[in-house]
Amino acid sequence: TQLLEQSPQFLSIQEGENLTVYCNSSSVFSSLQWYRQEPGEGPVLLVTVVTGGEVKKLKRLTFQFGDARKDSSLHITAAQPGDTGLYLCAGPLMGATNKLIFGTGTLLAVQP
Amino acid sequence: DTGVSQDPRHKITKRGQNVTFRCDPISEHNRLYWYRQTLGQGPEFLTYFQNEAQLEKSRLLSDRFSAERPKGSFSTLEIQRTEQGDSAMYLCASSLAVGARAFFGQGTRLTVV
Repeated sequence: TQLLEQSPQFLSIQEGENLTVYCNSSSVFSSLQWYRQEPGEGPVLLVTVVTGGEVKKLKRLTFQFGDARKDSSLHITAAQPGDTGLYLCAGPLMGATNKLIFGTGTLLAVQP
Repeated sequence: DTGVSQDPRHKITKRGQNVTFRCDPISEHNRLYWYRQTLGQGPEFLTYFQNEAQLEKSRLLSDRFSAERPKGSFSTLEIQRTEQGDSAMYLCASSLAVGARAFFGQGTRLTVV
């Protein structure tokens, strides 16, 4: 059983469309991070959300941390082909900050 | 380039052979992590070091797997008697401290034939 479940698992959309990726858990996390990974490369950090209810914006990307610190979402506005990649949420469990637990991943393909 | 580097980038080996991967973390980072990732899935934690001490090992790390960080700098991950199920991307990451941002290397892609 995965501690962090992401949905959807796969997403194929047209350029210009909006999308939301969800990251859910029954456990509480002290923070949540979102990464983007391209084929053959390691994950690259996009953002860290720390406070329950926190919303962070990074250009066309909006990240939200749930009030109870058990879930997070990533919303992309007007997706572009350059957004294509594997999106991963990850976080240290509350009280066990020694390692990152990764989500199951969402593979996004943006068609031109 | 002062990022995390991993060597080799790709390794093809026959079942039953031993393989060793190397990770060079960012120089001032005292925490080093190993993860395993299969295609399209999220990375799974294997083990981590604080300086030269190996502080936690996942149950995924069977007796055939061993990791070392002898001088608290680079680390090696060895897999003995490889099996086809070991085929995956092996990722290394390092961070400055507990809860600090982790930087990932490009990974070593292992294929066991």
